[in-house]
Amino acid sequence: SQQGEEDPQALSIQEGENATMNCSYKTSINNLQWYRQNSGRGLVHLILIRSNEREKHSGRLRVTLDTSKKSSSLLITASRAADTASYFCATVKTSYDKVIFGPGTSLSVIP
Amino acid sequence: NAGVTQTPKFQVLKTGQSMTLQCAQDMNHEYMSWYRQDPGMGLRLIHYSVGAGITDQGEVPNGYNVSRSTTEDFPLRLLSAAPSQTSVYFCASSYSSGQGAGEQFFGPGTRLTVL
Repeated sequence: SQQGEEDPQALSIQEGENATMNCSYKTSINNLQWYRQNSGRGLVHLILIRSNEREKHSGRLRVTLDTSKKSSSLLITASRAADTASYFCATVKTSYDKVIFGPGTSLSVIP
Repeated sequence: NAGVTQTPKFQVLKTGQSMTLQCAQDMNHEYMSWYRQDPGMGLRLIHYSVGAGITDQGEVPNGYNVSRSTTEDFPLRLLSAAPSQTSVYFCASSYSSGQGAGEQFFGPGTRLTVL
């Protein structure tokens, strides 16, 4: 069974709006990672957040981690049509452990 | 730096045939892994390795074998191809430390069709 589950499965917003995607996981983690995948392409790493961190920023991206709720969120501010993609969270449970991906959120940004 | 390379890019097999998907990285990463992605789905882990000589099963290992004789290479072998193995296969690599596997670098993928 997958460790991480994204929510919602699909999201459609207007350009300029903010997009929020959530990731819930079942067991304690070492770190959690967010990736983007444009249609038909490979995955691109966005942000890695460790279990002792609560928030990280990268440009228009903001990731939060709540280990007590076993959840993370990815916020994309001032979205652009180019942000249209699938977004995945991935979890690492322990040191030297595997990286498991969730099913992803499909984001459509309408110009 | 070539990053993570995968060959071939496309492959068509007949049921029962075997083949090896190649993956190589030139970043001296300890951690390497293979995923499959079916249409409209997320990535499912097939096998992974935390270093040369060490491999372990992922979520969907049946029908696949791996070996890791060098740090650079991590080939994936399909033993007897089945139509259910039609998918896009991604190889990934990263550093791996006491703080867990880091940022995953992905190859471009291999599109496999089994008839």
